[in-house]
Amino acid sequence: GAGVSQSPRYKVAKRGQDVALRCDPISGHVSLFWYQQALGQGPEFLTYFQNEAQLDKSGLPSDRFFAERPEGSVSTLKIQRTQQEDSAVYLCASSLDEAGNTGELFFGEGSRLTVL
Amino acid sequence: AQSVTQPDIHITVSEGASLELRCNYSYGATPYLFWYVQSPGQGLQLLLKYFSGDTLVQGIKGFEAEFKRSQSSFNLRKPSVHWSDAAEYFCAVGSNRDDKIIFGKGTRLHILP
Repeated sequence: GAGVSQSPRYKVAKRGQDVALRCDPISGHVSLFWYQQALGQGPEFLTYFQNEAQLDKSGLPSDRFFAERPEGSVSTLKIQRTQQEDSAVYLCASSLDEAGNTGELFFGEGSRLTVL
Repeated sequence: AQSVTQPDIHITVSEGASLELRCNYSYGATPYLFWYVQSPGQGLQLLLKYFSGDTLVQGIKGFEAEFKRSQSSFNLRKPSVHWSDAAEYFCAVGSNRDDKIIFGKGTRLHILP
């Protein structure tokens, strides 16, 4: 596709369930970011990939959060044993640049997770 | 650690009026500065960015921003707003020290007809 695609767009999970959020970046984009956006807040950095290498995961809030990009393209953010505080919109962004801090980020529309 | 402050949570202006959204950053290294816009139901879109050189940068949709190192600011301006500019605006900062881009909490712009 022409843009960054995220699925599912909406996910409702019961507390304790595991969820997986998918991001399909723009073809050829080297850098991929995951952000968490709580209601009324700005995007909070979670993790960054350059191709298949996860270069920074300092923003992941706990060891229940795990992200992967095994072939340097599609990425999956997995949240185990979801808690109510995990409710947020999870944004994926990709960039053509190898340096994740300088390129224009192209964002998907996000996956809205609601944990009951 | 780098941080971004957007002091105004909400701003309301009349259509046709001028606009200035404030952004202050904190970072010891050379900052890379960005403004993004998020319209309802859409992903964030880059308006403009500053890396070096001319401190007044032009962006899309008639927006501009000025980098002032002495004030650690990167305010966004537009001479005359349109109803379609109603959205949430995020200032963001990166640096040459790491690969993160950090976002502010955003300013929601409301336009009066």
